[in-house]
Amino acid sequence: DAEITQSPRHKITETGRQVTLACHQTWNHNNMFWYRQDLGHGLRLIHYSYGVQDTNKGEVSDGYSVSRSNTEDLPLTLESAASSQTSVYFCASSEKRALYNEQFFGPGTRLTVL
Amino acid sequence: DQQVKQNSPSLSVQEGRISILNCDYTNSMFDYFLWYKKYPAEGPTFLISISSIKDKNEDGRFTVFLNKSAKHLSLHIVPSQPGDSAVYFCAAISPYNNNDMRFGAGTRLTVKP
Repeated sequence: DAEITQSPRHKITETGRQVTLACHQTWNHNNMFWYRQDLGHGLRLIHYSYGVQDTNKGEVSDGYSVSRSNTEDLPLTLESAASSQTSVYFCASSEKRALYNEQFFGPGTRLTVL
Repeated sequence: DQQVKQNSPSLSVQEGRISILNCDYTNSMFDYFLWYKKYPAEGPTFLISISSIKDKNEDGRFTVFLNKSAKHLSLHIVPSQPGDSAVYFCAAISPYNNNDMRFGAGTRLTVKP
């Protein structure tokens, strides 16, 4: 069965360190997305990609970067982790391009920045 | 600046009855609205969507109503089942405004057997 996976599921890091969260999907979807979820805020869109070599900024992109070198993977990098980036991070993919189409989410990565 | 609000953090209903989850938005540029359901330790799951040209969309036990003049949407679940117990998020999207996508903070629904 096709799926979307995230690794690691839990990560503790220190302020100032570079951190990369992995997202891998076997749906063969061109469209992939990264969100963060904080208490009281629902989900917020960080970055998204419509295909290889394509990346776009979302609502809260500062301090994050993504790169898309193949269809299956969209890693999210925190260049210099800050305590404000402690959150649960969700990756998603979709068959159709527009944000209002159904997205399939991974199980999430809980990141703690000390 | 919360452009999408779910004012009820929690809702409890009896099995078999109707669940009504509400969502308000402030930006008239939003054209599409979605509902996602989330169980603990899992990613959200898409439920249903509606575009601003409609005022109602149904999918089985789930119906979404949109009142554009009031900037209000609601999700009705009939009949409610214990497996519906989850956190429900509404989301609003403006494809023509730089793909602005905003989520509400969620409502935790508990369906009691």
